[in-house]
Amino acid sequence: AQSVAQPEDQVNVAEGNPLTVKCTYSVSGNPYLFWYVQYPNRGLQFLLKYITGDNLVKGSYGFEAEFNKSQTSFHLKKPSALVSDSALYFCAVRGGYSTLTFGKGTMLLVSP
Amino acid sequence: NAGVTQTPKFQVLKTGQSMTLQCAQDMNHNSMYWYRQDPGMGLRLIYYSASEGTTDKGEVPNGYNVSRLNKREFSLRLESAAPSQTSVYFCASVRGQEAGYTGELFFGEGSRLTVL
Repeated sequence: AQSVAQPEDQVNVAEGNPLTVKCTYSVSGNPYLFWYVQYPNRGLQFLLKYITGDNLVKGSYGFEAEFNKSQTSFHLKKPSALVSDSALYFCAVRGGYSTLTFGKGTMLLVSP
Repeated sequence: NAGVTQTPKFQVLKTGQSMTLQCAQDMNHNSMYWYRQDPGMGLRLIYYSASEGTTDKGEVPNGYNVSRLNKREFSLRLESAAPSQTSVYFCASVRGQEAGYTGELFFGEGSRLTVL
């Protein structure tokens, strides 16, 4: 069975600084990996996905993610954080029938 | 463009009561899902419907039943609610589920359920 780990419950960063939210995965076969963001009292919004090809994936709102097969990681990054990026971020891996297995989530807090 | 619509948004139940959460999507998607979100546990899959007429158990199906009423609608029923079912419930949908399909899931805004 596939699984995802997000080792940090919370990440704090100052506005304008680069941010990284970590994710590692375990899956048999080729991984299909996703990042979602959840703002307070809202549903999950898709940010980006890795299917195959370039290891650096670009997504919505200036976010990108780096796929590293040898380290089984799929870290979310942004060169310059905004206060409005503060939210809960979920990494997920696709299973059968397009089901997603989610990590526990990482709260990103960007301070002014 | 409504996407995935869930009703109700909020509900308070007493232990032992029953209720149904409704979900409808207007994107002509084939597959639909019910997840629950609990603090520190991420989202966990309760049931899913890969296509109209089929339903399957996910990771945490106990205490729940589902009905895929038609291609648009997928409901989640709690027959006898328990405090452990206090959670936020999310419905999601995706266009396909065949091998190699790589589309992302679309989520509703959630239904917040409290069982006293």
